[in-house]
Amino acid sequence: GAGVSQSPSNKVTEKGKDVELRCDPISGHTALYWYRQSLGQGLEFLIYFQGNSAPDKSGLPSDRFSAERTGGSVSTLTIQRTQQEDSAVYLCASSPQGAGLNTGELFFGEGSRLTVL
Amino acid sequence: QKEVEQDPGPLSVPEGAIVSLNCTYSNSAFQYFMWYRQYSRKGPELLMYTYSSGNKEDGRFTAQVDKSSKYISLFIRDSQPSDSATYLCAMIRGGSYIPTFGRGTSLIVHP
Repeated sequence: GAGVSQSPSNKVTEKGKDVELRCDPISGHTALYWYRQSLGQGLEFLIYFQGNSAPDKSGLPSDRFSAERTGGSVSTLTIQRTQQEDSAVYLCASSPQGAGLNTGELFFGEGSRLTVL
Repeated sequence: QKEVEQDPGPLSVPEGAIVSLNCTYSNSAFQYFMWYRQYSRKGPELLMYTYSSGNKEDGRFTAQVDKSSKYISLFIRDSQPSDSATYLCAMIRGGSYIPTFGRGTSLIVHP
């Protein structure tokens, strides 16, 4: 079956430009996560959506970062006025209910690799 | 100090070796412990999940959690070149749904 799909797989942009990254979660999964993975670093939590509840935005590093999830499915992560330190792989994951319930399994996409010149 | 500490390696072992991967953590509220495997340019995938202290075995993989020492381990027996990947530990606080990940340990198993 289809897994988590992310697009674009690669994005090169100039400093100061805005970028949008898209995530299509597994159908029926109510929980959706965005993480960032920089070179040599672990996964840094950004934002968590669960059903129709207000998202947990506690991991967003600055107000240049925002995300939305439409219709409880597709999510878009937007980075405004990109900086070189934003260069990283942005990973999206979905889960049937939310990690910590049952197996705690997150299903990850392959990521969007962002390079800011 | 990060909440979850993990040596990034790389760890290089010969095929057939027993591999030990470890994480330490500082927050005693963590109750759920996971190991994910990540191949190059792919997303992480869940290998093992344990709740609270104890051992769990799945084939060649054994996960151990020692909450008193705030220390978790993943053992891989009879390691294979296909096990070459980055292994990330992850933990969740009770009542939370957001895993906190370690930096990952790069493992290389050479034939």
